[in-house]
Amino acid sequence: GNSVTQMEGPVTLSEEAFLTINCTYTATGYPSLFWYVQYPGEGLQLLLKATKADDKGSNKGFEATYRKETTSFHLEKGSVQVSDSAVYFCALSDQSNTGKLIFGQGTTLQVKP
Amino acid sequence: NAGVTQTPKFQVLKTGQSMTLQCAQDMNHNSMYWYRQDPGMGLRLIYYSASEGTTDKGEVPNGYNVSRLNKREFSLRLESAAPSQTSVYFCASGRLNTEAFFGQGTRLTVV
Repeated sequence: GNSVTQMEGPVTLSEEAFLTINCTYTATGYPSLFWYVQYPGEGLQLLLKATKADDKGSNKGFEATYRKETTSFHLEKGSVQVSDSAVYFCALSDQSNTGKLIFGQGTTLQVKP
Repeated sequence: NAGVTQTPKFQVLKTGQSMTLQCAQDMNHNSMYWYRQDPGMGLRLIYYSASEGTTDKGEVPNGYNVSRLNKREFSLRLESAAPSQTSVYFCASGRLNTEAFFGQGTRLTVV
């Protein structure tokens, strides 16, 4: 079945460091891929998405490229800020007629000043 | 725009008690979902509704029931709460193969 695997956290970085959070997936067909962010005490917010191979999603300085050959969708940011501290979830959209999302286990990012 | 609204935000139940979590969306989405979030487990799908009048089991449906009351509303019911159901519950809505929009969550503790 479809699944998403994320690198385990927590990830602790200093402000202005480079961030990579790895995400790989298993799916049949061509799922849409997403990164969500969850700030403490809040719900999930869509950070970025990509709907087909080689698409690059970007938002707020974060980027991720849909790589079908490696079944990956790694999240990157060139210079993190303390305000980026949150839990990040990689997800794919089930290509059935329900559109339900399948999530990875989440990666906690802590950025220190 | 309210988006997805869940009630209540917090709840403490005793083992064996019942309760219903309410969810409503104002984005005219066909699909609605209930997830639970547990540490280290990500979000796991409990039930979903692809359209008004239909519901289907997700990954972890045992101990729960749902009702798609109309296009806007999708409720989750715990008939006899157990400590294993202590979790944060999220309702979400969306369209086919696009992103889902999430509510703020319900933090449920079963003692």
